[in-house]
Amino acid sequence: LAKTTQPISMDSYEGQEVNITCSHNNIATNDYITWYQQFPSQGPRFIIQGYKTKVTNEVASLFIPADRKSSTLSLPRVSLSDTAVYYCLVGDGGATNKLIFGTGTLLAVQP
Amino acid sequence: KAGVTQTPRYLIKTRGQQVTLSCSPISGHRSVSWYQQTPGQGLQFLFEYFSETQRNKGNFPGRFSGRQFSNSRSEMNVSTLELGDSALYLCASSLPSEIYGYTFGSGTRLTVV
Repeated sequence: LAKTTQPISMDSYEGQEVNITCSHNNIATNDYITWYQQFPSQGPRFIIQGYKTKVTNEVASLFIPADRKSSTLSLPRVSLSDTAVYYCLVGDGGATNKLIFGTGTLLAVQP
Repeated sequence: KAGVTQTPRYLIKTRGQQVTLSCSPISGHRSVSWYQQTPGQGLQFLFEYFSETQRNKGNFPGRFSGRQFSNSRSEMNVSTLELGDSALYLCASSLPSEIYGYTFGSGTRLTVV
């Protein structure tokens, strides 16, 4: 599975757009990029998944450049309730079919 | 639809005892995975079951075991508990066709004293 690198922490204010970048230089052709959100003492929650270019859903956007060696999770107009740890995962599910979590990015949103 | 249900939510055990945790996946999900989360080691993969068969196993000692039943419900067991086994144990389920689109339960908080 491709190793991912994310910032350990980020700070933001309510109403701002937050972009969290994940580096995955060894991404394989069949790998997808998936982001999870986790609040304290809860299980991670699937946010968004993509393979290339841009994916958008009701909570976030995922930007993937042509070389796919990085990806950016964009959270529009964050609120206090978006304070959580965000994990970037890369893989094809396939034969391994297990999630390898890195340290994640702790996003702290302030009023 | 109902989410992934884990029971119990909290558990306190004594060193040397054993414990069994239960996970009921989302209806129709046949893949069930287990994870251990601690402040020091983060989220670590324990094992994954599909159609009652263990398909993958993480780097944990043999004291950690699991099984899956024909209705896809899964249990994990930890024998001879150690203080270091204190953690949040998370279960996740998915459809076979999903790539990392897992749904996690709220977990079982195990404290070993």
